[in-house]
Amino acid sequence: QVQLVQSGAEMKKPGASVKVSCKASGYSFTSYYIHWVRQAPGQGLEWMGLINPSDGSTYYGQNFQGRVTMTRDTSTSTAYMELSGLRSDDTVVYFCARAGGDYFGMDVWGQGTTVTVSS
Amino acid sequence: DIQMTQSPIFLSASVGDRVTITCRASQNIGNYLTWYRQKPGKAPELLIFAASSLQSGVPSRFSGSGSGTEFTLTISSLQPEDFATYYCLKNYGTWTFGQGTKVEI
Repeated sequence: QVQLVQSGAEMKKPGASVKVSCKASGYSFTSYYIHWVRQAPGQGLEWMGLINPSDGSTYYGQNFQGRVTMTRDTSTSTAYMELSGLRSDDTVVYFCARAGGDYFGMDVWGQGTTVTVSS
Repeated sequence: DIQMTQSPIFLSASVGDRVTITCRASQNIGNYLTWYRQKPGKAPELLIFAASSLQSGVPSRFSGSGSGTEFTLTISSLQPEDFATYYCLKNYGTWTFGQGTKVEI
């Protein structure tokens, strides 16, 4: 079946970087954009950006430009999100989700990856 | 940037109630609007795309309407699994979520 499986929870120190993976299966990886969304404890959803797995092009949200890098490996159908300069307020759950273009929204989501930033 | 504003933020309801949530865009976004339900501790689920199209597999008690700057999500008869938080999302350019509406008993 169609699914996105994310990497496990991470614990990082302030100032470090984290790289979260999102492995796709059950569909053509290059036919759908991958978006990254995050959610702080008890808070709403925040869009971080997207990558087009077909050509690797990216579009980042303004709040994350300069700190986030999204990449993909088509040989393993895996997307990656790396966030640098971690702060305590980056202690959130990160989700990946696929979207078949702007019109259709995010129809399949990963299970979420908790990143904890603490000294 | 276009802002998305949901109302109400909290909604108290009972099983069987008809519930309506509103999402307003600060500029015209056509029908590039999707709705999601998120249960506690889970990833969001897509309910409605293109403002009014029901996602495959989603129960018909969910419906969406609107275009331009004002949109609504309606649940015709609230079920126990619908006590959750609902988000609208502008899905083009800089994708932007509304702040969420928590539907509680």
